[in-house]
Amino acid sequence: SYELTQAPSVSVSPGQTASITCSGDKLGDKYACWYQQKPGQSPVLVIYKNSKRPSGIPERFSGSNSGNTATLTISGTQAMDEADYYCQAWDSSTGVFGGGTKLTVL
Amino acid sequence: EVQLVESGGGLVQPGGSLRLSCAASGFTFSPFWMHWVRQAPGKGLVWVSRITSDGSNTIYADSVQGRFIISRDDAKSTLYLQMNSLRAEDTAMYYCARANYGSRGAGDAFDIWGQGTMVTVSS
Repeated sequence: SYELTQAPSVSVSPGQTASITCSGDKLGDKYACWYQQKPGQSPVLVIYKNSKRPSGIPERFSGSNSGNTATLTISGTQAMDEADYYCQAWDSSTGVFGGGTKLTVL
Repeated sequence: EVQLVESGGGLVQPGGSLRLSCAASGFTFSPFWMHWVRQAPGKGLVWVSRITSDGSNTIYADSVQGRFIISRDDAKSTLYLQMNSLRAEDTAMYYCARANYGSRGAGDAFDIWGQGTMVTVSS
């Protein structure tokens, strides 16, 4: 079965750029999306179709996808961005999530 | 307000059954493909199942294939998940989610999520 791999944790200082990666076999041939989940809350879509932002998502969130790696980039990271982030893609019509990356802003 | 509201979770014994519901409001339910996603306590998100807009096509994760049934009632704007032969490993928060932005599945992303309903399988 298809797998997406994420680092368990990433740390970033406030105001700096955070990069969260997601790897999978030929992931660049698929669409990747990203979700943010804060403790006790439902996930929120922050990036779809590799690099598109839904309405209401700040411009500091951006995404890319090429080769075997999709990347979520948060520019000028703020304390409110501290959360778990999950990548997701489709494989033969089934959904696949990465294991999640906990972003710590310190 | 666009929202999804799940209900039906609870404590059930191993081998038991439960039916989850997801009521949609604030948007036209019928054109959208809908999904269930679950999250075990302290763990990550896991996709469970999908139903197409006309209800004619469904698909399941291997872990629930043959035990869970997804369905929808567009007249009630409600999505369902019938869960049978429940196991301890099915214990999780269950979210319904709306798929959007794609074309017949490709490129879909979950743009609306419910608040979740907790299912606990234990004796």
